[in-house]
Amino acid sequence: QVQLVQSGAEVKKPGSSVKVSCKASGGSFNSYTITWVRQAPGQGLEWMGRIVPILGLTNYAQNFQGRVTITADKSTSTAYMELSSLRSEDTAIYYCARDLDVVVPSPIAYWGQGTLVTVSS
Amino acid sequence: DIQLTQSPSFLSASVGDRVTITCRASQVTNNYLAWYQQKPGKAPKLLIYHASTLQTGVPSRFSGSGSGAEFTLTIGSLQPEDLATYYCLQLATYPRTFGQGTKVEV
Repeated sequence: QVQLVQSGAEVKKPGSSVKVSCKASGGSFNSYTITWVRQAPGQGLEWMGRIVPILGLTNYAQNFQGRVTITADKSTSTAYMELSSLRSEDTAIYYCARDLDVVVPSPIAYWGQGTLVTVSS
Repeated sequence: DIQLTQSPSFLSASVGDRVTITCRASQVTNNYLAWYQQKPGKAPKLLIYHASTLQTGVPSRFSGSGSGAEFTLTIGSLQPEDLATYYCLQLATYPRTFGQGTKVEV
């Protein structure tokens, strides 16, 4: 079955960057869209961006343009999300997720366990 | 970007009640809308996609309807385990966007 395993919790200083990994197993990594979603404490879900590994195609939410970079390493079936210029409001759980199907548009169906990123001086 | 507005933001209901949550989009989404359930401390779970397609393994008391820019998630007979927050997500365009969520208290 499809599994997404994310890297561990991080504590970062304001102004620094964080890079979260997401290793996929149980399916063909290259063809499926990988999405990153975050959730601040007590808040709703926020779509950040996505990548299609086989194409290297990315889209980002306007709120994160210029600060977020999503990449994928096809050789290790791992996706990455790097967020720069961190501020306290970036404290959140960051989820990676995979689409249900390669047929577009497809809903997000499989989720990682989440990675807590805390930004604090 | 497509904006999604859910209503209500919070609802309290009893076991066995029929519960309805609405998601309104700022533009037509061609039925490309999904619903998710998120329980405290857990990742979201896909319930419904393409407005009305039930995801495999999801109980049949969950159903979705609607078209164009207005969609509904219905829980036919609320169960204690349905305590959760529910989100809609539009799949029509990038960037994707979520509704703000509806917290259901049983």
